[in-house]
Amino acid sequence: DQQVKQNSPSLSVQEGRISILNCDYTNSMFDYFLWYKKYPAEGPTFLISISSIKDKNEDGRFTVFLNKSAKHLSLHIVPSQPGDSAVYFCAASARRGTYKYIFGTGTRLKVLA
Amino acid sequence: NAGVTQTPKFQVLKTGQSMTLQCAQDMNHEYMSWYRQDPGMGLRLIHYSVGAGITDQGEVPNGYNVSRSTTEDFPLRLLSAAPSQTSVYFCASTQAGYTDTQYFGPGTRLTVL
Repeated sequence: DQQVKQNSPSLSVQEGRISILNCDYTNSMFDYFLWYKKYPAEGPTFLISISSIKDKNEDGRFTVFLNKSAKHLSLHIVPSQPGDSAVYFCAASARRGTYKYIFGTGTRLKVLA
Repeated sequence: NAGVTQTPKFQVLKTGQSMTLQCAQDMNHEYMSWYRQDPGMGLRLIHYSVGAGITDQGEVPNGYNVSRSTTEDFPLRLLSAAPSQTSVYFCASTQAGYTDTQYFGPGTRLTVL
């Protein structure tokens, strides 16, 4: 049973517009969430995180929103740039410090110039 | 500062052969982990270690062994390779702190015939 789901395998967005990537989870014990970006033939790189005590976290063009009641988080990229084209993974942990993360299946974002 | 390094980049094995995937980090991180990435499956945790001499199982540990004799190195051993172990393997290390981010290596693509 997939505890962390990214239901959209791919997404195409025009350069300059907003990209919204979604992630749903089923385990109510998850309280720490991260987004990673992955380019082909490279390892994932950390993008942004959010703790369950918050509902929003911003870092430059990237904002993560957490809706605990819906068990849903989303990553907003504004404005989208061609260099953002990559696979994005969300990950969840039941407790910070356990270092055990459950990853979603990823969403491939393509930003069109 | 090389970060997380993995060798080899590519490997082809025959069923039943054994091999060791190497992982090293030079960031003095206590926590290290191994993931495998399969199409449509995201990243799944194989084994992890919270320090030298301490290892534990992740989601999919069967068929793999690990040891952690030093802080820097965390090798993954396949004792008898099977076609189901064809995958891309990522090693990661974690800096404890606010974000609990993981730093990933570039990956090893393993094919078992």
